[in-house]
Amino acid sequence: LAKTTQPISMDSYEGQEVNITCSHNNIATNDYITWYQQFPSQGPRFIIQGYKTKVTNEVASLFIPADRKSSTLSLPRVSLSDTAVYYCLVGDSNTGRRALTFGSGTRLQVQP
Amino acid sequence: NAGVTQTPKFQVLKTGQSMTLQCAQDMNHNSMYWYRQDPGMGLRLIYYSASEGTTDKGEVPNGYNVSRLNKREFSLRLESAAPSQTSVYFCASHHPGERTYNEQFFGPGTRLTVL
Repeated sequence: LAKTTQPISMDSYEGQEVNITCSHNNIATNDYITWYQQFPSQGPRFIIQGYKTKVTNEVASLFIPADRKSSTLSLPRVSLSDTAVYYCLVGDSNTGRRALTFGSGTRLQVQP
Repeated sequence: NAGVTQTPKFQVLKTGQSMTLQCAQDMNHNSMYWYRQDPGMGLRLIYYSASEGTTDKGEVPNGYNVSRLNKREFSLRLESAAPSQTSVYFCASHHPGERTYNEQFFGPGTRLTVL
């Protein structure tokens, strides 16, 4: 499974845009890039996934350059409720025979 | 739909005791997973089941056993609990699909303390 590297922690203020970058140099051809969010005392929640270029949903955007060796999760205009741990995962679990690996994640603290 | 449910929510064991953590999903998903999360750490995969009748070891399987009872239920058993197994245990389910390639749905977790 591709190893991922992301910052341990980030700080931001309400209303700012937050970009969290994840590097995954040995990503495989069939791998997708997936981001999860975890609040304290809860299980992780799927945010967004992508294969290449840009993906946007109601929560976030995911930017993936052509070489796919990194990706950036963008959270527009964060609020206090976005304080959470964000995990970048790379892999292909389509067959169900390979499970994704969660790293330590990025702890985002949003301040007023 | 209840999604993924786990029982119990909290449990305290003494070293050497055994117990089974229960997990059920009502989304008709093929794959189910058990993770543990130690304080301040990410999730580590214990066991997973790609489909009914199959189970595979994850990163940290020692000290655990699993049973995929049917498509809905996936249980995790600690035969002889140790303090090192104090953790929060999460169950998750997943169904491969083009739009939700790697989307797993997580339960609320079981907080286990082994004294």
